[in-house]
Amino acid sequence: HSALTQPASVSGSPGQSITISCTGTSTDVGGYNYVSWYQQYPGKAPKLIIYDVSNRPFGVSTRFSGSKSGNTAFLTISGVQAEDEADYYCNSYTKASTLEAFGTGTKVTVL
Amino acid sequence: EVQLVESGGGLVQPGGSLRLSCAASGFTVSTYWMTWVRQAPGEGLEWVANIKEDGTEQYYVGSVRGRFTISRDNARNSVYLDMNNMRVEDTAVYYCARYQYGTSATFDLWGRGTLVTVSS
Repeated sequence: HSALTQPASVSGSPGQSITISCTGTSTDVGGYNYVSWYQQYPGKAPKLIIYDVSNRPFGVSTRFSGSKSGNTAFLTISGVQAEDEADYYCNSYTKASTLEAFGTGTKVTVL
Repeated sequence: EVQLVESGGGLVQPGGSLRLSCAASGFTVSTYWMTWVRQAPGEGLEWVANIKEDGTEQYYVGSVRGRFTISRDNARNSVYLDMNNMRVEDTAVYYCARYQYGTSATFDLWGRGTLVTVSS
């Protein structure tokens, strides 16, 4: 199956804004508003932080926001903090037989 | 507390079988699609299988189709993954997740995972 493409790593200083991209095709990211983002600390389970492109679950910091343009989705962390240092994965519903496609993952480092 | 707890992981030889279980608490699984997602050591997330609320539909990633079977027992509030003819590349942490499907397509609740190691 084809994974969605994310940058391997993104870094920023505390207080800066950083953006992670998630590039797919018209059969997944571009075709549905069903993009979600997950945060994962080492050795821990993933946690949902954005769903349906731009919605935040209850209790998730407002520093996390999502958007989409064409076949690419974006996760922005505004005012990044040390606690945001983790791996982030995007996911999209897909017309392909797999039904679901995860991104390759991005390691966020807070300098 | 709303949670999912996986069990059944362990060491198995290539060609062997294993059954994973996922016990839900704090909510009723019968009203949700459920899913299994795996993560090989040092790798990213990979969706494995989905099952509809009533168990009448199942979907699999190509690499496990014909070898793995997802099932559910709503009376026991549990979901299962039967893995047969296992391969070294099936080695991973397997997560059970609740899948919001229909008006969304989101994995909104995850278990802590269970480690499966396929090795001789």
